[in-house]
Amino acid sequence: SQQGEEDPQALSIQEGENATMNCSYKTSINNLQWYRQNSGRGLVHLILIRSNEREKHSGRLRVTLDTSKKSSSLLITASRAADTASYFCATDLSGGYQKVTFGTGTKLQVIP
Amino acid sequence: DGGITQSPKYLFRKEGQNVTLSCEQNLNHDAMYWYRQDPGQGLRLIYYSQIVNDFQKGDIAEGYSVSREKKESFPLTVTSAQKNPTAFYLCASHVGVGVNEQFFGPGTRLTVL
Repeated sequence: SQQGEEDPQALSIQEGENATMNCSYKTSINNLQWYRQNSGRGLVHLILIRSNEREKHSGRLRVTLDTSKKSSSLLITASRAADTASYFCATDLSGGYQKVTFGTGTKLQVIP
Repeated sequence: DGGITQSPKYLFRKEGQNVTLSCEQNLNHDAMYWYRQDPGQGLRLIYYSQIVNDFQKGDIAEGYSVSREKKESFPLTVTSAQKNPTAFYLCASHVGVGVNEQFFGPGTRLTVL
């Protein structure tokens, strides 16, 4: 089964609102990454958080990591129509050659 | 421009035929990966290679084969043994050392007729 499970599976919000998606995983990790995928395209790396970090920011993105609960959240503030995409978390167990495991994704729709 | 290219973008195959998907990168990355994505699903690892002339099976390697004769290239062959090959295939690369992101190609959509 997948290591990471995103929640919700789908999310629809108005432009300007914040979007929050969650990722839960099963085993201890070295780091957790979030990726974005526009429909029918490849994935693009957004942000990486290491297991010893609790929060990280990048522009309008805020990621938190709670290793005791084995969960992470991705917050996109002041959403734009261009943020419409699927978002995946990916857990890296080894920290070495990046054999990461991807979750099932959250499909975000931002309505203009 | 540095990046990963995959070809073709769309591929149609008749049942019983083998088909090879191309993946090339000019990022000088050591590690390369092949993933399969089904509609509404996450990515599942097929094969990965950490170095030239070496590769390992991922979670769903049955019915697939790969080669890594050059650092830049990691072709994936979908054989007739793969029972349900229709899917979106993504190639990725990673610098190979340390904690870094994976870079993805644009994908190949394979349809078996």
